[in-house]
Amino acid sequence: DTAVSQTPKYLVTQMGNDKSIKCEQNLGHDTMYWYKQDSKKFLKIMFSYNNKELIINETVPNRFSPKSPDKAHLNLHINSLELGDSAVYFCASSQIPQREGTSTDTQYFGPGTRLTVL
Amino acid sequence: DAKTTQPPSMDCAEGRAANLPCNHSTISGNEYVYWYRQIHSQGPQYIIHGLKNNETNEMASLIITEDRKSSTLILPHATLRDTAVYYCIVRVANAGGTSYGKLTFGQGTILTVHP
Repeated sequence: DTAVSQTPKYLVTQMGNDKSIKCEQNLGHDTMYWYKQDSKKFLKIMFSYNNKELIINETVPNRFSPKSPDKAHLNLHINSLELGDSAVYFCASSQIPQREGTSTDTQYFGPGTRLTVL
Repeated sequence: DAKTTQPPSMDCAEGRAANLPCNHSTISGNEYVYWYRQIHSQGPQYIIHGLKNNETNEMASLIITEDRKSSTLILPHATLRDTAVYYCIVRVANAGGTSYGKLTFGQGTILTVHP
């Protein structure tokens, strides 16, 4: 079974369209993330959710709206797509330890969704 | 989180040990050293982490200097499938507040394993 899965794997769309990417994890983790990897291969965090609550929002445009219907899912909806949104989007999950400094919150990444905006 | 410095690229012959260095001279006492790698067209994959002791698992070994200002990831017998970008990341194990779980990736080291 795939631990972290994303759909679709590839997404090609026109500028101005609205699209969604879905992510599911079957690891029982309480925290999920979205990362963006641009054409220069820089990998940067966008959002993180803990128990369905938004924790990190790294100054991502309002056109990006994550939604977490439950702890196992974190979807990413993008409105009014722009050329600069073309990138690979990775979902990840981890289990945050109860106390700081104890054990580790290893993150498990999905296979990525390659978004191309034309 | 402390900043890390890694060489942009390294080569290694198949079957030999690959030693990937990382400098983290501003590391704090409660920050761990994590290593992830990204094989082409795949998501990043956790390799190993450590605080101050050397660590070993089925994938690799992590050697951290006594002053904790640098570390080395060792792949003992590199294979062609180990060709990837390797990221050294320094962070608190369970970062609360606005850094909750956050991983900050640098440019990493492109390791090429050749026959």
